[in-house]
Amino acid sequence: AQTVTQSQPEMSVQEAETVTLSCTYDTSESDYYLFWYKQPPSRQMILVIRQEAYKQQNATENRFSVNFQKAAKSFSLKISDSQLGDAAMYFCAYRSSNSGYALNFGKGTSLLVTP
Amino acid sequence: DSGVTQTPKHLITATGQRVTLRCSPRSGDLSVYWYQQSLDQGLQFLIQYYNGEERAKGNILERFSAQQFPDLHSELNLSSLELGDSALYFCASSVARSGRGHNEQFFGPGTRLTVL
Repeated sequence: AQTVTQSQPEMSVQEAETVTLSCTYDTSESDYYLFWYKQPPSRQMILVIRQEAYKQQNATENRFSVNFQKAAKSFSLKISDSQLGDAAMYFCAYRSSNSGYALNFGKGTSLLVTP
Repeated sequence: DSGVTQTPKHLITATGQRVTLRCSPRSGDLSVYWYQQSLDQGLQFLIQYYNGEERAKGNILERFSAQQFPDLHSELNLSSLELGDSALYFCASSVARSGRGHNEQFFGPGTRLTVL
């Protein structure tokens, strides 16, 4: 089974600054998908960004971008110009292309944004 | 609003009881997934249904079962409840009829289950 590791239980960033959240995963597959989900205090799971493993170009969504290093099995999330509303739990998730569409989540990183 | 609805929002019950959680997927989505989020285990995949049929199973206990009905809504049944079953249960949906967006799962707001 694939494992997803988020080694930073908590991170803190000042408003308007940039922060990077780390994620590594373990897989023997070559084709898969990676996601970052945000869970604010409301507990709603919100998709932030996704990356297809076959694409070399790093995904970007406005202030959110990823650094996908396939050989290193690393998938970090960069949040630029941090805003108070970015404060949340962030979960990295892996999805196989072969065995169903279930998401395999990491333990999460709690992001605190200070004014 | 993801378009996925879950009822009830909160459920408080006693050990040994049985409860049913309900999920309505986004319009046009054929797949429904159930996840459990607890402090001990984090976010875990339980089970997936696609167009009425079971598609994949994760760490789902034998005391738990699910089904997807012809109108595509799904129910998760939890029986012989234990204190450790207290968690947030999410439903997610994906796979639009058109075939687009099949990589993304959209989550409902969750059902908070408390077992006393």
